[in-house]
Order: sequence, then C-alpha cells, then structure tokens
Amino acid sequence: QVQLQESGPGLVKPSQTLSLTCIVSGDSISSGHYSWSWIRQPAGKGLEWMGRMHTSGSTDYNPSLRGRVTVSIDTSMNQVSLDLSSVTAADTAIYYCARGILTGSSVHYDSWGQGTLVTVSS
Amino acid sequence: QSLLTQPPSVSGAPGQRVTISCTGSSSNIGAGYDVHWYQQLPGTAPQLLIYNNFNRPSGVPDRFSASKSGTSASLAITGLQAEDEADYYCQSYDRSLSAVLFGGGTKLTVL
Repeated sequence: QVQLQESGPGLVKPSQTLSLTCIVSGDSISSGHYSWSWIRQPAGKGLEWMGRMHTSGSTDYNPSLRGRVTVSIDTSMNQVSLDLSSVTAADTAIYYCARGILTGSSVHYDSWGQGTLVTVSS
Repeated sequence: QSLLTQPPSVSGAPGQRVTISCTGSSSNIGAGYDVHWYQQLPGTAPQLLIYNNFNRPSGVPDRFSASKSGTSASLAITGLQAEDEADYYCQSYDRSLSAVLFGGGTKLTVL
C-alpha cells in the first residue's frame, strides 16, 4: 500500500519561498497513470488544490497561484516537491500531498499524506 | 469562494439519514466531469469516500451513497452514527480553469 509523508520547514518568513517534499513509499512514483498533487488547508477552512505533476511530466496549476507554485517529481528519490514563492501570512496552512488516479473523467485522490503545517511569519 | 457549493453544515440524530449537496456549473459537474467525495475526521487528512460519482472504495460502508445529476451531486448517509461526525468535501474538475476543484466543505454534526 502506498504511503506519502510530507516534510519541510514549519516556519517560513514572508516573501521567502516555501519548499516541501513528499516521500512516496510502497510504489514507484512513475508507475501507472498517476498524478501527484499538493493540496492545502488553512486552519478551520476548506481544501485548496494547488497543482499537480503527471507521471508524463506535464503540470497543471491552480490559476489563483499560477506564477508562484511549482510541483516537481524526482523519480530517483521517489518524491514529489512543492515550491511556493513570495509567501505571505495567507499561505499559512496544512499542506498535503496526494496521489491522483484517473479512472473516469476526473482525477480522484486515493492516497494522502498526513499533512505538514507551515506557518508564514517573521 | 469555491465554484462547487456545499452547505456549511448539516446535522442529524443517530440512525437518521442526511444528505449533502454539491452544486457546480456547466464548466465542471455539468460538463460531465466525475464527482468524488472525501471524509475528513477531526485532526486527520481527508480520505476518499466516493469516487466517480457513486463508487465506494473497499472498506467504506454501504451507508454512504452518492449520485450526480445535471450540475449537481449529492452524498447521502443513512443510519447515522456518531463516528460519521466529520467534514465532507466534494471534488471535481473545471474545464474553464483547467483545475481541480474542491467544494467548500460541509460539517456534519451527529446530534
């Protein structure tokens, strides 16, 4: 069974770049028709999809974050990364990585990491 | 504000049936994109509850069911139990935005 584990700094200063890593175990990150997404959740609020990379290498991003967010995959390390630039306090949230599977007309997320809290503060 | 609209909260007594709606538009649910549902228990990551409109992953009780019609979808929970108290999210895709969408979430309270 695939497992996902996010890691990264819990505190980032405003205007800096937030960088997180998600280590995938139990399956190869490049196998199957998967996509790998980052999804975040501010405290007490709903889920926000940030972006994804397909195993083909193509990427899609939330238009509200376009220009600030980059999702990448390192197949040698079996991990997914997130970079979010020019962060502000509004980027304070729990960040989840999730595996997406396309078996119909839209991807669904069958595996999630436990999430990592990132606080943006000076 | 999410393009998939859910009621902020619903409630029901143990044993009762509740439904949670997810209303979209012609660029997402109405365009034929599948709807998926997630359950998020307090302090935990979301878990897949329903995929491709009405399919349950193994291990999900048949008390949970879902449907889709037009620009909306609905999640139904029958035989409500205290352990069902959680936040529920619908999810689909929007072709105008070329983006994955989540509903705003619905908090289910078991009275």
